[in-house]
Amino acid sequence: KAGVTQTPRYLIKTRGQQVTLSCSPISGHRSVSWYQQTPGQGLQFLFEYFSETQRNKGNFPGRFSGRQFSNSRSEMNVSTLELGDSALYLCASSFGTYDDNEQFFGPGTRLTVL
Amino acid sequence: TQLLEQSPQFLSIQEGENLTVYCNSSSVFSSLQWYRQEPGEGPVLLVTVVTGGEVKKLKRLTFQFGDARKDSSLHITAAQPGDTGLYLCAGARGRYGGSQGNLIFGKGTKLSVKP
Repeated sequence: KAGVTQTPRYLIKTRGQQVTLSCSPISGHRSVSWYQQTPGQGLQFLFEYFSETQRNKGNFPGRFSGRQFSNSRSEMNVSTLELGDSALYLCASSFGTYDDNEQFFGPGTRLTVL
Repeated sequence: TQLLEQSPQFLSIQEGENLTVYCNSSSVFSSLQWYRQEPGEGPVLLVTVVTGGEVKKLKRLTFQFGDARKDSSLHITAAQPGDTGLYLCAGARGRYGGSQGNLIFGKGTKLSVKP
């Protein structure tokens, strides 16, 4: 079966702009989690969506938001971009149940903010 | 505060050598996962350890979960250039993060195996 896909793979934006990233989970997975990866901080959890509802949230400012659609596809939005938002943004999908929440990661979107 | 500390941060060895990577925390996790990430790709799950003291073997890789479920180690025997990558440990609250997709990651160990 197809893996997790993320679009676009690369993105260059300037400070103050906003950006939307997309994630298509593995078929049948209802949970999508988003992570930010930087050399200094490593992988940090942003938020998780399950059945179109945000179920868990990390410690990121309100400029970072997301949503999930009825087909489980998810988008992440970052408004008023800052230089420090340059990172690899990863999404991971899973069945999202207590007994089976094994997460499968996509290849990521590399965001560069100039 | 980094809840999961990995060491060493960088490791450069010759093909055929053995190595151990450590993942330590002051917190208890219900399960701990190890991932490997290659440049330009997302992390790929290698193993999940759930029971304190558990040891799992995956070919030349041996994973151990500490008795108190606060630490873990990854041992690679006879490393090969194909083992090169970023090794990440991640702690979960439930079996695989419980009902919430919130994994807490260490910063990773960057391994380079030279032929």
